[in-house]
Amino acid sequence: GAVVSQHPSRVICKSGTSVKIECRSLDFQATTMFWYRQFPKKSLMLMATSNEGSKATYEQGVEKDKFLINHASLTLSTLTVTSAHPEDSSFYICSANNPPRETQYFGPGTRLLVL
Amino acid sequence: DQQVKQNSPSLSVQEGRISILNCDYTNSMFDYFLWYKKYPAEGPTFLISISSIKDKNEDGRFTVFLNKSAKHLSLHIVPSQPGDSAVYFCAAIPNAGGTSYGKLTFGQGTILTVHP
Repeated sequence: GAVVSQHPSRVICKSGTSVKIECRSLDFQATTMFWYRQFPKKSLMLMATSNEGSKATYEQGVEKDKFLINHASLTLSTLTVTSAHPEDSSFYICSANNPPRETQYFGPGTRLLVL
Repeated sequence: DQQVKQNSPSLSVQEGRISILNCDYTNSMFDYFLWYKKYPAEGPTFLISISSIKDKNEDGRFTVFLNKSAKHLSLHIVPSQPGDSAVYFCAAIPNAGGTSYGKLTFGQGTILTVHP
């Protein structure tokens, strides 16, 4: 089946630093990847759609300068949380589309803790 | 505005019995539906999907039913196993065209507990 990996699985950083999270599709190419954020006891919230070779599309209320997305190749998208603050602490999950019909396969998630 | 709703926050089932998880949607533009299983601190795992041109799709122990007129879908797990205990999310994708193409809209999730 389609496998999506994320790295790192968890990261602890100091407030003000930037953190990069990688999302890779391991056995398929994905022109579109998605980045989600999950708050405790809540459903997944779509943050942005990452398109290979073009700018990401951000959902309403998501700061694009805060959450930088780069989809450099058909198998890699990165999310950089810039100048992280404690309120950015969350569980970030990426997904990638693979047939049939835009089925999204999710990565294992990255737990970010900003101190 | 919750376009995909899972009204049961939790469900408890005995091992070997059937688990039925329900999901309702309001957006008539949705034409592809998926079920995901999720453990804490992990990404969702794709289980099964169904297109709006069908009313049933089966894969092993998992069967998804779609009632378009009622805008309702359900996931049946038979027989239920303790390893099925997890949070189950239904999700929907709108048909082609528009800015929402390909985007999943998730329900709130239902916690399934299967007792031995």
